Amino acid sequence: KAGVTQTPRYLIKTRGQQVTLSCSPISGHRSVSWYQQTPGQGLQFLFEYFSETQRNKGNFPGRFSGRQFSNSRSEMNVSTLELGDSALYLCASSWGQRRETQYFGPGTRLLVL
Amino acid sequence: DQQVKQNSPSLSVQEGRISILNCDYTNSMFDYFLWYKKYPAEGPTFLISISSIKDKNEDGRFTVFLNKSAKHLSLHIVPSQPGDSAVYFCAASDTGTASKLTFGTGTRLQVTL
Repeated sequence: KAGVTQTPRYLIKTRGQQVTLSCSPISGHRSVSWYQQTPGQGLQFLFEYFSETQRNKGNFPGRFSGRQFSNSRSEMNVSTLELGDSALYLCASSWGQRRETQYFGPGTRLLVL
Repeated sequence: DQQVKQNSPSLSVQEGRISILNCDYTNSMFDYFLWYKKYPAEGPTFLISISSIKDKNEDGRFTVFLNKSAKHLSLHIVPSQPGDSAVYFCAASDTGTASKLTFGTGTRLQVTL
């Protein structure tokens, strides 16, 4: 069974631009969660989508948004990029039930100049 | 507010010996705990999990212990192998926000020959 895939793997943008990252979950998984990893803040939860609806949200500004399609693929968008948005963005998929494991993709490394 | 803490940023263990990684949490609502292993620029790889209804779970060389009264869990790796060298994260979730994982800051394990 194929794992979680994320595209692109690397991205360089400049301040003020916007970016869209994509995540394809493991086949059959309906939940996709997004995380940001930075050296200073560690791994932090951004939001989770389940059956095309945002079900949970972390403490990030409204510049960070996402959506999920009917095939469970998800996109994350960051508008008006800031230098501090440089990070590894990870998505994880699961069935969406309680007490279950989330499986992570390889991440998208975003560098904002 | 760091709800999940890994107080040892690094640990060095000889090959063949036991590695013990520790994790403390403060949120009594957490009822599911996971350990992930991570290499640089890659997504976390799931290792083992434990539900709050258990106090021990074993999978091959990996054993996780949960002490609910102390709000403490630990990961034991026996015997340690050079390929185990990586950053280990503990993560927790609660029933109400099942797909939101709260991560610790990580412990870098170095297994030496």
